[in-house]
Amino acid sequence: KNEVEQSPQNLTAQEGEFITINCSYSVGISALHWLQQHPGGGIVSLFMLSSGKKKHGRLIATINIQEKHSSLHITASHPRDSAVYICAVSPAARQLTFGSGTQLTVLP
Amino acid sequence: DSGVTQTPKHLITATGQRVTLRCSPRSGDLSVYWYQQSLDQGLQFLIQYYNGEERAKGNILERFSAQQFPDLHSELNLSSLELGDSALYFCASSVGATREERELFFGEGSRLTVL
Repeated sequence: KNEVEQSPQNLTAQEGEFITINCSYSVGISALHWLQQHPGGGIVSLFMLSSGKKKHGRLIATINIQEKHSSLHITASHPRDSAVYICAVSPAARQLTFGSGTQLTVLP
Repeated sequence: DSGVTQTPKHLITATGQRVTLRCSPRSGDLSVYWYQQSLDQGLQFLIQYYNGEERAKGNILERFSAQQFPDLHSELNLSSLELGDSALYFCASSVGATREERELFFGEGSRLTVL
């Protein structure tokens, strides 16, 4: 079993829809990261969370440490949000472990 | 622009060859991380340097080595290349090495194709 599980693997939405991507992990962690990988391959760090909730523009990330679960929400989705979203965790004293990613396609 | 610079962006080489990938971290960042992203394995941590010293090692093959220089740039050396080494290699940097300083900034990646 992978230490980091993301769902769904693929997601297609219409422009304007509210989107949720989920991440579950099985180990104790010191932080959780949400990353965005564009079609060209570049990776952008969206959030680093150790508790609670963070918001940046139309993106919201939440984490529940007790349940070992995090969600990434995108409000009013837009075609430019189309990308792969990757959850990664920092287990204590160990380096990042990555989920397999969620391919998001937002149609106009 | 993350401020992390990786060169080359693309590299095509043959099996058995050796290549060097270069990374310049964001100004002020002391930690450099190397990651490999292949189609079948996804993203995997290879190695971390902090202020010139190796800090952590992940799934890095013995044919691969890395170093961080006094000016904090880092190089990843891949030798005796095999077809399976074809992948995107990412460098990331962060201010420090502790949990609180681990926001990561990624470079655009170096795409290696081994023929």
